[in-house]
Amino acid sequence: DAGVTQSPTHLIKTRGQHVTLRCSPISGHKSVSWYQQVLGQGPQFIFQYYEKEERGRGNFPDRFSARQFPNYSSELNVNALLLGDSALYLCASRGQGGMNTEAFFGQGTRLTVV
Amino acid sequence: GESVGLHLPTLSVQEGDNSIINCAYSNSASDYFIWYKQESGKGPQFIIDIRSNMDKRQGQRVTVLLNKTVKHLSLQIAATQPGDSAVYFCAENIPQGGKLIFGQGTELSVKP
Repeated sequence: DAGVTQSPTHLIKTRGQHVTLRCSPISGHKSVSWYQQVLGQGPQFIFQYYEKEERGRGNFPDRFSARQFPNYSSELNVNALLLGDSALYLCASRGQGGMNTEAFFGQGTRLTVV
Repeated sequence: GESVGLHLPTLSVQEGDNSIINCAYSNSASDYFIWYKQESGKGPQFIIDIRSNMDKRQGQRVTVLLNKTVKHLSLQIAATQPGDSAVYFCAENIPQGGKLIFGQGTELSVKP
């Protein structure tokens, strides 16, 4: 079975632009979460979606938004990119329980804003 | 504020020795804890987890200990190998919203 897959793996954008990152969870998993990891730090929670509904939101500005599709894949959108948005964006997939089960991460999307 | 902290930012051990990585958490409501290993350029890899109603859990070469009284977690790696070299994160699960709070990480370096 494929693990969590994210695309693209790397991306370079210019300040002010918009970006869309994509994630496919492990087959059968209905929960997807997004995290931002800047160099030298642990991942920071952005959003959690379960059964296509937002179940949690971290301390990120409204420029960050996400959605989950009927097939449980997810997109993270970031508008009006800032240099400080440069980071590794991680997607995590959780199983049936959604909230307190193992969270498996994808390889991430490395976003560089110039 | 919310935080999960690690006592040691770097740890260097000799191959074959046991490693212990420590972690302090702050949220009494956390119900579940996970240890992750992250190699350079990769996403965090699930190692082992423990629920808040347990004190100890063992896996293959790894053991996690949970002390709720002092809000402390540790990861023990037996017979550490060069392939164990990575950054290790503990994460606490916040029940509302399914949020994981990560610490800064401990870099484990294994000398052959």
